[in-house]
Amino acid sequence: AQTVTQSQPEMSVQEAETVTLSCTYDTSESDYYLFWYKQPPSRQMILVIRQEAYKQQNATENRFSVNFQKAAKSFSLKISDSQLGDAAMYFCASIPGYALNFGKGTSLLVTP
Amino acid sequence: GAVVSQHPSRVICKSGTSVKIECRSLDFQATTMFWYRQFPKQSLMLMATSNEGSKATYEQGVEKDKFLINHASLTLSTLTVTSAHPEDSSFYICSASPTGGADTQYFGPGTRLTVL
Repeated sequence: AQTVTQSQPEMSVQEAETVTLSCTYDTSESDYYLFWYKQPPSRQMILVIRQEAYKQQNATENRFSVNFQKAAKSFSLKISDSQLGDAAMYFCASIPGYALNFGKGTSLLVTP
Repeated sequence: GAVVSQHPSRVICKSGTSVKIECRSLDFQATTMFWYRQFPKQSLMLMATSNEGSKATYEQGVEKDKFLINHASLTLSTLTVTSAHPEDSSFYICSASPTGGADTQYFGPGTRLTVL
């Protein structure tokens, strides 16, 4: 089984600043996917960013980027120029096989 | 594109009754649909995976007879909570995959079930 660990239950960032959310995972697979999902108060799950493990280049989506360290099994999310709308629960997830495996989440608070 | 709807968004029912939740892919065909359960302030837990025309595959610990899943068409999957009890109260989320793989999932908005 693959485990996904998010060690930060809560994080806070000021508007326009940068914040990094941590995620580590454990897998014996050589091929897998990693994701960051955002769940705002509406509870709609929104895909933020996706990374295929075989790709060495870190994925980037506008203000969101990841630092994928395959050897260390680390997959952190960096949010630049934070906005009030970024406030949400962020879940790191992996697919080692047939289904998404979520971490426990990090609650991100954005202060004006 | 890639919109998934769920109905109802909220439901309150009495203990012992059954509740059906629908999950629809509105603009694509979903070979595979997934059902998740989320308790307050917790993560999503996969309950089952359903493929169109096949029996659902349930995760360990999920009661098949209590959580009936039907994936009758490429755009519709239903979850029926039978003989609901207060402990079944939760947020239920479905997702749909156009490719059949878990790496491409579009999530529905969720259904909040409250059992009195």
